Amino acid sequence: NAGVTQTPKFQVLKTGQSMTLQCAQDMNHEYMSWYRQDPGMGLRLIHYSVGAGITDQGEVPNGYNVSRSTTEDFPLRLLSAAPSQTSVYFCASSPARDYSNQPQHFGDGTRLSIL
Amino acid sequence: AQKITQTQPGMFVQEKEAVTLDCTYDTSDPSYGLFWYKQPSSGEMIFLIYQGSYDQQNATEGRYSLNFQKARKSANLVISASQLGDSAMYFCAMREGGTGRRALTFGSGTRLQVQP
Repeated sequence: NAGVTQTPKFQVLKTGQSMTLQCAQDMNHEYMSWYRQDPGMGLRLIHYSVGAGITDQGEVPNGYNVSRSTTEDFPLRLLSAAPSQTSVYFCASSPARDYSNQPQHFGDGTRLSIL
Repeated sequence: AQKITQTQPGMFVQEKEAVTLDCTYDTSDPSYGLFWYKQPSSGEMIFLIYQGSYDQQNATEGRYSLNFQKARKSANLVISASQLGDSAMYFCAMREGGTGRRALTFGSGTRLQVQP
């Protein structure tokens, strides 16, 4: 019953450092996405993928890269961390078939602080 | 324009009473889905209930029901018989069917506090 697994759960970075947030799912879901949640706000879409080898930008993609080499994994890379990227990051997955009532399954989040 | 609007930043309810959390949405897509998620203080996102734009009846899941008024573009969550464990942030979200992205657009949330 792993579902969506995110690592690490917490991370502190210095401005300018790079890092990768890991996301893995074991439900064979085609669709995966990354959101960020800032205080007092709902989640905002960063990047998404509808299958291996296919990615696209969401609402707030600047400063982040993604790749999807396998169905299971969807890592999020911060290229040069900035204090504005301090946030909680959520990875989510769902089937890509048009079962529109299928909810997205979320990981437990990564709390990231940029100093 | 905001696609999902939750106008209640915070709500209080007495234990065992019912509470309604408001959500209005804006879309020109005839095919869409509306979701409610619960986020307790531990931070995870928990799916509660779904309503499709073509569904004729209001969705229900246990103590949760969705008061769907399509003409008014509202999708309010009703929690019956509130419990202390219902204290959390609640987010309304929409997925528009035409985009193919399957991404969710979230409201800013309502913090519900259940009082004993």
